[in-house]
Amino acid sequence: DIQMTQSPSTLSASVGDRVTITCRASQSFSSWLAWYQEKPGKAPKPLIYKASSLESGVPSRFSGSGSGTEFTLTISSLQPDDFATYFCQQSDSYPWTFGQGTRVEIK
Amino acid sequence: EVQLVESGGGSVQPGGSLRLSCAASGFIFSDYYMSWVRRAPGKGLEWVANINQDGGARFYVDSVKGRFTVSRDNAKNSLYLQMNSLRVEDTAVYYCARWDGKFYWGQGTLVTVSS
Repeated sequence: DIQMTQSPSTLSASVGDRVTITCRASQSFSSWLAWYQEKPGKAPKPLIYKASSLESGVPSRFSGSGSGTEFTLTISSLQPDDFATYFCQQSDSYPWTFGQGTRVEIK
Repeated sequence: EVQLVESGGGSVQPGGSLRLSCAASGFIFSDYYMSWVRRAPGKGLEWVANINQDGGARFYVDSVKGRFTVSRDNAKNSLYLQMNSLRVEDTAVYYCARWDGKFYWGQGTLVTVSS
């Protein structure tokens, strides 16, 4: 199984900050990596797919990069609506697996 | 707008069965892989099962193989998860999700397995 390890688990930041979240995979794979945003009481929302493709309707301040064993989600300028939990998910091989999540909180 | 609405959750004793349903709308259901994903209380997300567009290919996480069956009815735009021999550790919110390189999620339905 591919284990996905996210870091940090919690991140304190201010509006306008550049934020980077990392997912490290226990095995290398190319690009079947997605990022999601989750807020309490709501269904998770896809942000990035295939490691770096921006989901339609998602602001361009969100970007994804990486391949192999290290993938990153970057928010170029944190906005008030971005305080949420973010998690990664690989679909390169079964069983598909998720990172444990990164909570982005207000500093 | 993509809509996925799960139903069928509830409380059941260990060893019991439940059937979850997911009603899909806002897209051509038969064009997409569909999945079930769950989150146990206080734990992370776990992918449970996939089914391809015509139902001919199904995949499961090891912990549910032989107990859970994913199925679909494209004429009814519906996805199902038959859960048998339920265990306490199956307690979770179960999400229906559409897959196309990323998940679009429903709101989830709670399954509680307890004596």
